[in-house]
Amino acid sequence: DAKTTQPPSMDCAEGRAANLPCNHSTISGNEYVYWYRQIHSQGPQYIIHGLKNNETNEMASLIITEDRKSSTLILPHATLRDTAVYYCIVKDPGTYKYIFGTGTRLKVLA
Amino acid sequence: EADIYQTPRYLVIGTGKKITLECSQTMGHDKMYWYQQDPGMELHLIHYSYGVNSTEKGDLSSESTVSRIRTEHFPLTLESARPSHTSQYLCASRPTDTDTQYFGPGTRLTVL
Repeated sequence: DAKTTQPPSMDCAEGRAANLPCNHSTISGNEYVYWYRQIHSQGPQYIIHGLKNNETNEMASLIITEDRKSSTLILPHATLRDTAVYYCIVKDPGTYKYIFGTGTRLKVLA
Repeated sequence: EADIYQTPRYLVIGTGKKITLECSQTMGHDKMYWYQQDPGMELHLIHYSYGVNSTEKGDLSSESTVSRIRTEHFPLTLESARPSHTSQYLCASRPTDTDTQYFGPGTRLTVL
């Protein structure tokens, strides 16, 4: 089964960049990496996804290593409202199943 | 902004009651999902639908059932609720041409 590994928690000072790592060493060649976040047990919110090139949108940047075995989500200027659990997700290849790990609990400190 | 709705948002019921959790989306998405999540824990897929009249069970064994009679509607039913069903239930949908899922706000169920 595809699987992701993330640190359980991280702290970041407000206004600084938050760099959240994820290992996905079993990812298959044509599966994307997705990032979501969940605030206060609300429904997860989509942030960004990528295949092999780095990606950027209005919320974050995604850096994927050349071997695709890991990636880093970057929130360039973290705010208190970015405090949430961040999930790195891959799809089980050939299935409809998305593997949610336990995520990283990011706490942005004032 | 995704338009996916879940009702009720919170529900407290007694053991043995039959309940239906509603999920509706107005985006015309074919694929819909139900996840179960205990506090501080990961999401577990319990049901999936490819489209109308097509449903499958997910990885986590669940005593709930689902139906998909209309594209926009994917209700989940518990015939006889038990305290072990206490959890948060999250509904999601996605279009066929992307893997990006859109989640509803969730239903927090407590069975006494």
